[in-house]
Amino acid sequence: QQQVKQSPQSLIVQKGGISIINCAYENTAFDYFPWYQQFPGKGPALLIAIRPDVSEKKEGRFTISFNKSAKQFSLHIMDSQPGDSATYFCAASKDRGSTLGRLYFGRGTQLTVWP
Amino acid sequence: DARVTQTPRHKVTEMGQEVTMRCQPILGHNTVFWYRQTMMQGLELLAYFRNRAPLDDSGMPKDRFSAEMPDATLATLKIQPSEPRDSAVYFCASGYQSLPRSNEKLFFGSGTQLSVL
Repeated sequence: QQQVKQSPQSLIVQKGGISIINCAYENTAFDYFPWYQQFPGKGPALLIAIRPDVSEKKEGRFTISFNKSAKQFSLHIMDSQPGDSATYFCAASKDRGSTLGRLYFGRGTQLTVWP
Repeated sequence: DARVTQTPRHKVTEMGQEVTMRCQPILGHNTVFWYRQTMMQGLELLAYFRNRAPLDDSGMPKDRFSAEMPDATLATLKIQPSEPRDSAVYFCASGYQSLPRSNEKLFFGSGTQLSVL
């Protein structure tokens, strides 16, 4: 049973456009929601993360929007660049505030940004 | 530049053979994870350790998989006997659990690509 559901599976965006990836969860015990970026042949790398006590977090061109009542969160990439082309994973964890607990990953979104 | 080191990067073996994957976490990190990535299942946790003690190995097939931390600088994942369905990329990740929590971060290695024929 997939604890975190992610969509879309793939996304094609033009350079300069906005990329939006959505995730949903059921377990209200989750208290940490990170996004990871993975390039071919590499391990996932932490991109940005949020806790359920805030509705939005922004770091540069990357923004997480969090809707606690709907149990949904999304990643927005503003001004998408070809270098952003990668696979993005949302995840969730429940480890009493620690970010180093078991992560439940979404299935991933393959983002392609056309120049 | 500190990083998680995994060896080997690639491994091709025959069904029934023993496979050992090694991971050197970032120096000083006290939490180590093993994740497996496949097209069918995505990224899933196999096991993880804190201060070398196993915390959760519920994702690991106990009959053939074993994970250990002989010391703080080495984590191992063994498969015996290996099967074709074990073909996947195995990632090790490490982090330091601390306060405040905002200082915590998980770092992944580049993975071991395992093919069992």
